[in-house]
Parts: sequence; C-alpha cells; structure tokens
Amino acid sequence: GAVVSQHPSWVICKSGTSVKIECRSLDFQATTMFWYRQFPKQSLMLMATSNEGSKATYEQGVEKDKFLINHASLTLSTLTVTSAHPEDSSFYICSARQNLGRGLGNEQFFGPGTRLTVL
Amino acid sequence: SQQGEEDPQALSIQEGENATMNCSYKTSINNLQWYRQNSGRGLVHLILIRSNEREKHSGRLRVTLDTSKKSSSLLITASRAADTASYFCATDASGGYQKVTFGTGTKLQVIP
Repeated sequence: GAVVSQHPSWVICKSGTSVKIECRSLDFQATTMFWYRQFPKQSLMLMATSNEGSKATYEQGVEKDKFLINHASLTLSTLTVTSAHPEDSSFYICSARQNLGRGLGNEQFFGPGTRLTVL
Repeated sequence: SQQGEEDPQALSIQEGENATMNCSYKTSINNLQWYRQNSGRGLVHLILIRSNEREKHSGRLRVTLDTSKKSSSLLITASRAADTASYFCATDASGGYQKVTFGTGTKLQVIP
C-alpha cells in the first residue's frame, strides 16, 4: 500500500516555542492531507483537512492561529504548533488521501505519528 | 468530532477465545476501516470494507457491515496475547467533504 511518513517521530520542546511536523506521501500524490491529534487513552480526533494550494479547513474547536497548516505540494504537508504549551502535548498523526479517480476508493493512508511533549 | 461509537469500551478474554467488537456510526459512508493501535504507537490498518460489501475476511479477522443499521463488527478468532491492543473503526463519510473520522475505540486485552 501507499506509504506516508512523518518527521520527527518525537519531539520535546520548551513551553512557548514553535514546533513543525512534516507529513510526506512517499509514493503517491496526495491532493488532500489530514491532521489528527490523539491524547492518552483517547481516540483520534480530526483537527484539520488541507488541500494542496489552498487554506486548510479546521474542525470546530481547533484554533487555526495556533495550529498552522501548510500544504505546499502534492507530497508534503506541515503542521506547526505555535507557542506550544504543556496541554498541546499529544500524539499527532497525519493522513494522505490518494485520489484514484471517480468511483474508486480514494482511501486515506496514515503516517506513523509524532509524539510531542511540551515541558 | 467523533463519528462512531464502539462497544465494548474494554474487553478482556483468555487466549484462544474469540473477540467481538462493534462499531456504530451516524452518517452515510463510502467505506469503513478497522485499525489496531498498540499503546503509544501508530495505527496499523487491518481491513477495509466498502459500503456495498456485507462481509470481509482477512486471516483471523472477520468484518461485517450493516449499512441499514449503520453498524459494523470486527471478530478476531482464536485470539493471541499479541492481539492485545486498542481497536478503532474509522468511517469515510460519503458526500460533501470526504474525511475519515474515528470511533471511540475498544481496548482489548488477551490473557495468556
């Protein structure tokens, strides 16, 4: 199946700093990428959907100024957590949709996740 | 927001027994997927069932889908200790803005 990578795998930062997480589709072009957040012992919550070349669409309750999403190319999306605080510590997972054309699966493939710890 | 709810929330069984997890969702879907996640790790894709399919098998996994009831079940037969993990259903909603949203998850413990 299609491969999605994330970088870094984990990051520890000080409160107030900004952290950038990259998501890449390695062997396919993804016009749409998704960012999820997972707190301990909870399910994945969709944060935002980004389409290449346009602004991201954020889910209700997600601050767009705090979680900056850039989808500059068909294989790369970045999530920047600005002015991170301890409550932003979480597991961030990206996903990329492979557009196979009308009537086909257009399935999403998930990255391995990035664990962010804010001290 | 969460599209699906799973039950049970947690399940503990003996090795060799079967484990059944259920997922209910709210809107029409293109497909439904089941994922597994070991503690603190990424997602492992298990199986995808499309909206026009009713049952699918993969090894010891059996998934059913009832679109009239908006529900799905995952059956793991002859469970092993290594099956201990959290299991999530994820639905790909049809129409409008396509995106995959996850259920609340079932934490499965298989006791050796």
